[in-house]
Amino acid sequence: DTAVSQTPKYLVTQMGNDKSIKCEQNLGHDTMYWYKQDSKKFLKIMFSYNNKELIINETVPNRFSPKSPDKAHLNLHINSLELGDSAVYFCASSQGKANEQFFGPGTRLTVL
Amino acid sequence: GENVEQHPSTLSVQEGDSAVIKCTYSDSASNYFPWYKQELGKRPQLIIDIRSNVGEKKDQRIAVTLNKTAKHFSLHITETQPEDSAVYFCADNTNAGKSTFGDGTTLTVKP
Repeated sequence: DTAVSQTPKYLVTQMGNDKSIKCEQNLGHDTMYWYKQDSKKFLKIMFSYNNKELIINETVPNRFSPKSPDKAHLNLHINSLELGDSAVYFCASSQGKANEQFFGPGTRLTVL
Repeated sequence: GENVEQHPSTLSVQEGDSAVIKCTYSDSASNYFPWYKQELGKRPQLIIDIRSNVGEKKDQRIAVTLNKTAKHFSLHITETQPEDSAVYFCADNTNAGKSTFGDGTTLTVKP
């Protein structure tokens, strides 16, 4: 009965590759987010979706393309991976745009 | 919000002492201020939150205060325990869906 789930948990890949991370929530929430947490533990919002519509895009390189096929899913596709993309990526969801966010377990991406 | 400053970046206290973490925000549209706790290797989880129409909220050993005029809010943990050791993040949120986190405070509670 996991609330917010992400796959994969770990991702190790070479520079220049393309990879995807999937996120699903079973809480019935209407808003979903992607965050990047770097090695210094800073947590930065990347994207926010409300009812499948993109509402926040925080100057993220266009190599990152989120997709929300329905309200329960928000996937993140990354093209031409770079060393600086290595981080933990967290998906989160909330009911409404200014409420408690429930985070997924994170995906640790390592680019070699 | 636009920018959230969080202090201190590290905090070490003796078990039983109090811990205070402070945040300042700049976006006047911010109306929701959550605090998240992140244990090592785990996901952030909400511990307490406050909305802009409230000045203070308490839940057992933790409390949050908000000064909307000065645009700052604080987390207070009393009678700290070793299991309180974690990274704490403040955040501010707007109705537009913008969510900005502070840089985090690493709290260490020494037994």
